[in-house]
Amino acid sequence: QKEVEQDPGPLSVPEGAIVSLNCTYSNSAFQYFMWYRQYSRKGPELLMYTYSSGNKEDGRFTAQVDKSSKYISLFIRDSQPSDSATYLCAMSLGRGATNKLIFGTGTLLAVQP
Amino acid sequence: KAGVTQTPRYLIKTRGQQVTLSCSPISGHRSVSWYQQTPGQGLQFLFEYFSETQRNKGNFPGRFSGRQFSNSRSEMNVSTLELGDSALYLCASSVDPTGGNAEAFFGQGTRLTVV
Repeated sequence: QKEVEQDPGPLSVPEGAIVSLNCTYSNSAFQYFMWYRQYSRKGPELLMYTYSSGNKEDGRFTAQVDKSSKYISLFIRDSQPSDSATYLCAMSLGRGATNKLIFGTGTLLAVQP
Repeated sequence: KAGVTQTPRYLIKTRGQQVTLSCSPISGHRSVSWYQQTPGQGLQFLFEYFSETQRNKGNFPGRFSGRQFSNSRSEMNVSTLELGDSALYLCASSVDPTGGNAEAFFGQGTRLTVV
């Protein structure tokens, strides 16, 4: 079993839809949770960064972390064709340990105009 | 503020050769990590450097090595290249995770093709 599981998709939605992306994980020691967006042939771009459980909102993006269920989500409101990309979740142990990130496999999202 | 810079962007090498990739982290960032990205395996951690010391290493053969300089710039080296080493190699920089800030910013990567 992988430490981080993510549905690879592809996920296709119409423009303006609310998108929900999810990851589950097995290591309860993870403290930091990140979402990255990666366009084709580019490096991953950090979208959201959260510490421990809770919600974080930034514009059209909302990240949720539920440590009790070992489940994280990214919601994209009013999705745009420019949101079409691969979305990667990542986690790390954090403070005093290491900066090593464990990634999900990524979900390919296509927003249709 | 300049981002993470990786050079070169593209490389084509022959099996058996060696290659060196370079990464300049964001100014003020002291932690540099390297990842390999392939379609089959996704993003896999290679190693992490902090203050010129390797702090963590992933599950890769000894042909993969790296180092970090006093200015935080980092290089990774792959010797005796194999076809399976063809991948996008990504460098990530962080301020200093021991301070509780684990945000990692990636460069555009070096796409290595081994023929």
